[in-house]
Amino acid sequence: SQTIHQWPATLVQPVGSPLSLECTVEGTSNPNLYWYRQAAGRGLQLLFYSVGIGQISSEVPQNLSASRPQDRQFILSSKKLLLSDSGFYLCAWSTINSPLHFGNGTRLTVT
Amino acid sequence: SQKIEQNSEALNIQEGKTATLTCNYTNYSPAYLQWYRQDPGRGPVFLLLIRENEKEKRKERLKVTFDTTLKQSLFHITASQPADSATYLCALELSGGSYIPTFGRGTSLIVHP
Repeated sequence: SQTIHQWPATLVQPVGSPLSLECTVEGTSNPNLYWYRQAAGRGLQLLFYSVGIGQISSEVPQNLSASRPQDRQFILSSKKLLLSDSGFYLCAWSTINSPLHFGNGTRLTVT
Repeated sequence: SQKIEQNSEALNIQEGKTATLTCNYTNYSPAYLQWYRQDPGRGPVFLLLIRENEKEKRKERLKVTFDTTLKQSLFHITASQPADSATYLCALELSGGSYIPTFGRGTSLIVHP
């Protein structure tokens, strides 16, 4: 069966520090991969999605970036975090015409 | 602009009653609509998908309707239980689009024993 792993579960980082969140999927090949952010009381905001290795589409201009170095690995990064980057970050995967399968998220607090 | 609306106020109901949640959308032509459940501090979990040519879909105590004329979906939980308490999100995908769903903000359901 397919599983998705996302880590860390929580993270506290100072303003200006770098960020790296990792997500891996098991049990499926060539999945679509997504990074969403959920601010308190807000909906899910799509940040990046990828349909294949090295193929990244950005939905929202910001100081975050994403990479897909392997078929089932998706990484969210930042060189310098802002206070506004605080939130709940969710990785998800899907195949064509299938629903999204989410990880358990990373709660990021930028101080 | 495209918009998805879910009631931002929490829905409080008594155990055993039917909970009905609403998802309205504007300016979309969705190929299908999805409902997810999200518990605090966790990722959303997929519940049901209904396609544009389907009027109703059922799964155990869950029922979803999809009215493309009204641009509305209703999500029902019959015989509700306290364990059903969570936030429920609807998500839409455009016809022939990128298969990337856009999510509503969700409605919190609280089932009282």
